[in-house]
Amino acid sequence: GIQVEQSPPDLILQEGANSTLRCNFSDSVNNLQWFHQNPWGQLINLFYIPSGTKQNGRLSATTVATERYSLLYISSSQTTDSGVYFCAVDNYGQNFVFGPGTRLSVLP
Amino acid sequence: DTEVTQTPKHLVMGMTNKKSLKCEQHMGHRAMYWYKQKAKKPPELMFVYSYEKLSINESVPSRFSPECPNSSLLNLHLHALQPEDSALYLCASSQYLATDTQYFGPGTRLTVL
Repeated sequence: GIQVEQSPPDLILQEGANSTLRCNFSDSVNNLQWFHQNPWGQLINLFYIPSGTKQNGRLSATTVATERYSLLYISSSQTTDSGVYFCAVDNYGQNFVFGPGTRLSVLP
Repeated sequence: DTEVTQTPKHLVMGMTNKKSLKCEQHMGHRAMYWYKQKAKKPPELMFVYSYEKLSINESVPSRFSPECPNSSLLNLHLHALQPEDSALYLCASSQYLATDTQYFGPGTRLTVL
């Protein structure tokens, strides 16, 4: 099955800093999403982005499908950005596979 | 409204109990999903229900059985669970299968004693 890797596994930032999270996948995909999981376990959809670039406020994402990676950019980070960021993909099957996640801590 | 609701929020059960988890969405979505998430791990897909067809992850044991009474409701029946089944159970829905945004509910935190 498709493999999904995320880097870095852990990231500690000072409030106001910028960061880039990376997701690599091993096969072509027809669905790629970025999620933020808060400390209470709620998974919040950030982007549906199987290809191209999108922006939403301080967050933006780019997926280069031909090179099998996606990037999530967080600018001017806030303490509320803390949590785990997951990339998840579907490669034309019925299995939606999550990467291992990047655990982000934003310090005040 | 992009809300998926799940009940109960927390559940503690013994290994001989039978219980059910409930998931509901009123967005007119055609696909619904159950995931299991262990602590500090990513969610893993258990079941997909789409267009009246159920797809099962082959690694899921038979003590978990999904039921879809109607297009907006997806239940997960639990029977004779093991302590290692303790986890966060997440439900999600999407307009279309595989090629659309999945929206997640808040989850049910299950403890099996």
